[in-house]
Amino acid sequence: RKEVEQDPGPFNVPEGATVAFNCTYSNSASQSFFWYRQDCRKEPKLLMSVYSSGNEDGRFTAQLNRASQYISLLIRDSKLSDSATYLCVVTGLHGYNKLIFGAGTRLAVHP
Amino acid sequence: DGGITQSPKYLFRKEGQNVTLSCEQNLNHDAMYWYRQDPGQGLRLIYYSQIVNDFQKGDIAEGYSVSREKKESFPLTVTSAQKNPTAFYLCASSTPTGTGELFFGEGSRLTVL
Repeated sequence: RKEVEQDPGPFNVPEGATVAFNCTYSNSASQSFFWYRQDCRKEPKLLMSVYSSGNEDGRFTAQLNRASQYISLLIRDSKLSDSATYLCVVTGLHGYNKLIFGAGTRLAVHP
Repeated sequence: DGGITQSPKYLFRKEGQNVTLSCEQNLNHDAMYWYRQDPGQGLRLIYYSQIVNDFQKGDIAEGYSVSREKKESFPLTVTSAQKNPTAFYLCASSTPTGTGELFFGEGSRLTVL
């Protein structure tokens, strides 16, 4: 079993749609959780951290369910510029020294 | 502008050759990392360094070597012992307080012919 699993997609959605990505992780001791965004053939960049109580940043909402070891990302009112791969990231056994990356979920927003 | 610079962006090498990828940062970060990305897979950690003159193996260190002689620099050598070196290599750095944010360079794409 992979340490971090994501649906690879692609998710093809029209502009303005709401889309949700899910991620599961295997290490119950993981303490920190993140969503990164990676544009095609570019480097990943931090999108947002995921807090236990859930958190929102504009059109983006992240949720964490520790009991189910499950993280989600919701994007509302999708824009063309949201097209990218979204990487779920959790800390491994050695804290911040070892971030475990999921393979990513690809989103394509069309007009 | 502060950031991480990787070079070269694209590199071709013949089998059996060693190649060194450069990574320089001016963010004054103590921790630096090398990741490898293959299609359909998550980033995998090759090596990381928390301070100068110290580094640790990650999950896939075999066939790679690093050095950390200066805080700003963390070069990665892909040796001929690496069986499948064609990949996208990403260098990153982070602050010691560990917010979890990694700052990545633009990557180096290595192709073995």
